[in-house]
Amino acid sequence: EEQLVQSGEEVKKPGESLKISCKGSGYRFTNYWIGWVRQMPGKGLEWMGIIYPGDSDTRYSPSFQGQVTISADKSITTAYLQWSRLKASDTAMYYCARQADYLVFDVWGQGTMVTVSS
Amino acid sequence: EIVLTQSPGTLSLSPGERATLSCRASQSVNNFYLAWYQQKPGQAPRLLIYGASSRATGIPDRFSGSGSGTDFTLTITRLEPEDFAVYYCQQYGSSPWTFGQGTKVEIK
Repeated sequence: EEQLVQSGEEVKKPGESLKISCKGSGYRFTNYWIGWVRQMPGKGLEWMGIIYPGDSDTRYSPSFQGQVTISADKSITTAYLQWSRLKASDTAMYYCARQADYLVFDVWGQGTMVTVSS
Repeated sequence: EIVLTQSPGTLSLSPGERATLSCRASQSVNNFYLAWYQQKPGQAPRLLIYGASSRATGIPDRFSGSGSGTDFTLTITRLEPEDFAVYYCQQYGSSPWTFGQGTKVEIK
């Protein structure tokens, strides 16, 4: 079964760093882009960026460029989303998703809830 | 970037009724690169439609997509109880990919 399994819920303070993960299994991880999507509480979906684990080619939405870093370790079939200094406004659910050959997200992780509060 | 505007914000219908959801783009979407997702509370989104009108694997045929250019529609012919959810459109023809703000289909 093709699946993405994300790391667990995080509660952090403003200014702290964080790295959340997304592990792929059941398919050739290096052959598909992995994207990240933010969903703030009670709000809609926002496309953050994508990475191709085969060569780590990465694209960001202008809204998130410089705010987060997307990376991947193909040896352990895992993609990451990280922050160097969290803000309260980073509080959200974060989903990773596989981008299918036809460019849409066909397999989704279960989501990682990140809460940033002093 | 392309802005997608979905309407209505909320659709109140009864099971068995027909639902028509609209997604309008601020500029033409290349190559029919428009998708629809369904999201239920506490769950990740699920892909329903891609390429404006192609159903994803396992999606019932009561779901259909249509449209081109800047105007797209998702139709659910007869609402089942499990169809009450929030629906998002997404364009992937121009970077950055963008989502609409969602339409909630609720039980009347």
